[in-house]
Order: sequence, then structure tokens, then C-alpha cells
Amino acid sequence: NAGVTQTPKFQVLKTGQSMTLQCAQDMNHNSMYWYRQDPGMGLRLIYYSASEGTTDKGEVPNGYNVSRLNKREFSLRLESAAPSQTSVYFCALSGTALETQYFGPGTRLLVL
Amino acid sequence: GQSLEQPSEVTAVEGAIVQINCTYQTSGFYGLSWYQQHDGGAPTFLSYNALDGLEETGRFSSFLSRSDSYGYLLLQELQMKDSASYFCAVGSNYQLIWGAGTKLIIKP
Repeated sequence: NAGVTQTPKFQVLKTGQSMTLQCAQDMNHNSMYWYRQDPGMGLRLIYYSASEGTTDKGEVPNGYNVSRLNKREFSLRLESAAPSQTSVYFCALSGTALETQYFGPGTRLLVL
Repeated sequence: GQSLEQPSEVTAVEGAIVQINCTYQTSGFYGLSWYQQHDGGAPTFLSYNALDGLEETGRFSSFLSRSDSYGYLLLQELQMKDSASYFCAVGSNYQLIWGAGTKLIIKP
């Protein structure tokens, strides 16, 4: 996970609360991604950013917003958290090959 | 639609060889990747096949057949530390589409 940091590591929210998950990298890669992983399942793409200033929806964008502040940082915001958003959230990045992705350690989110 | 199929669980003995298969159905296929994830950890990249054939990296090998929409990950000389979940993923339309993962259980 070297080069990709995520904060916070754990978070408990009540339904309706908002929060922002932060991701930062020092690998100088252009593309960054936000995934969620539910127990026993693969990763599902929420949003991605191919470069600074651009963002695009992935497979499951509803209930989330993102911001690519600069090349280093890509944040994910939950405006009004719901229990269905309880999951582990991973930030990832890639260079020229999207198939080679580097992941942060993850944020474990529980929405009550 | 786009989908990847892999077995949910595979059991093998320490020191043995195990093969984890992956079949896919996607549009705009770029290549097939494999990732390892230990319990509580983050996925870690293992290998990538863009062309047909076998890619070898130490004890791990990965194979792709584009005509059959099929690939596999081969793990040799299994060690207890290889106990993890293994995911295949396909590059398609600027995104990675992921399989649900195969849990590899290794017995001594």
C-alpha cells in the first residue's frame, strides 16, 4: 500500500450524517478510483478520475460525490449516509495500464 | 452485460499446485488481471495478461485465451501464506470489472 493513503481507517455514522473519505498518493499516477467492497464480494467501482479535473461515474455512483482536488488527492463524499452504504471503501490508482492498480489500506464504514 | 465467473472456494494442500479459473463476458476487452487479498487487507496486484499465453512470475503464473474468454491463475509450491482470496479483473471501457473472488484454503 506504499504511496496511497486513506483517512479515516474506521468510521461509524448515523443514518443521514455526511462525511468525506480522503485519498492521497505520492506515486504521480494520473488515474484514481473509488471502490466499495461488501462482504464476500468483489470490488465495485463508484467513481473514477482519469486525470486532474475530470471525474466519471462507475458502476454504483448513487449516493456519492467525488472531487479530484489535484493530481495527488481524490475524495469521496457521502452526503446523507444510509445503512446500505456500510462497506469497506478502497481508493486505488493506476498509471498507463488501468489493469495494474495500487490500493490504499481501505476505510471501514458502518452506518447505523 | 459484463460478467466474470470464478469458483467461490478452492482447497489445496501445502506444497501442491492449484489452478483458479476465470471466464469473462465483456465488451471492449483490454486484458485480464489477477489480484490477491488477504483477510482484512487491500487487494494487491499479481499479474496481467494482455495477449494469449502464459505469464510467469515466480511461483505464480497466469494464462489467457482471448478466443475462449478464459484465463487462469496457477499457484505452485503452495505455502500457508498463500491463503487468501484471489480476484480476476477485466479491463473494459476504461474501468476494471471484477469477479467475486475465489477463497483459497490451504491445508497443512
